[in-house]
Amino acid sequence: DVKVTQSSRYLVKRTGEKVFLECVQDMDHENMFWYRQDPGLGLRLIYFSYDVKMKEKGDIPEGYSVSREKKERFSLILESASTNQTSMYLCASSINLGTQYFGPGTRLTVL
Amino acid sequence: AQTVTQSQPEMSVQEAETVTLSCTYDTSENNYYLFWYKQPPSRQMILVIRQEAYKQQNATENRFSVNFQKAAKSFSLKISDSQLGDTAMYFCADFYNNNDMRFGAGTRLTVKP
Repeated sequence: DVKVTQSSRYLVKRTGEKVFLECVQDMDHENMFWYRQDPGLGLRLIYFSYDVKMKEKGDIPEGYSVSREKKERFSLILESASTNQTSMYLCASSINLGTQYFGPGTRLTVL
Repeated sequence: AQTVTQSQPEMSVQEAETVTLSCTYDTSENNYYLFWYKQPPSRQMILVIRQEAYKQQNATENRFSVNFQKAAKSFSLKISDSQLGDTAMYFCADFYNNNDMRFGAGTRLTVKP
């Protein structure tokens, strides 16, 4: 079974803090994704990566950056957290042809 | 922007009955895939069923089946013999261009005993 893990289930940070969300997958998938999930909006793609050190902007990249130094690990960085970044963050990975495997999510609260 | 629309924010069904969740999409691509994902309360999102657009036959997975109407760009999910464990958020998604998956806003399904 594919396993995608995220470093924290719940995280509380203060406005202006730098925040790191980590995601690790164990199936040697080329593609990895970061989404945020908000009620009524579904999942919106922040960034994705199709290879080590490669990244592509999704629909809402503003205020976020990512890092992929190793194939199994994809990090989402909030350089200066703001209250409107309070959300559920989901990481996913895939080989090809669409099927994505999701992590358990990190619920981030920015105070 | 191309979108996926789920017109039912919330639905409920009695245990053992059948329920259908609606989804429409508007991709203009020729080759694409469609998905239903399930997110149980406080649990991980998992794939329920997937449909390749080039296949005419509707996909089925045990109690889950789809009604894929390509011309109408409709992709509904039918859950037969609903169980309490089916209570979840259900997301419809389409996928094309090798990496660009779009999700609908979700339908919250409650199965009542």
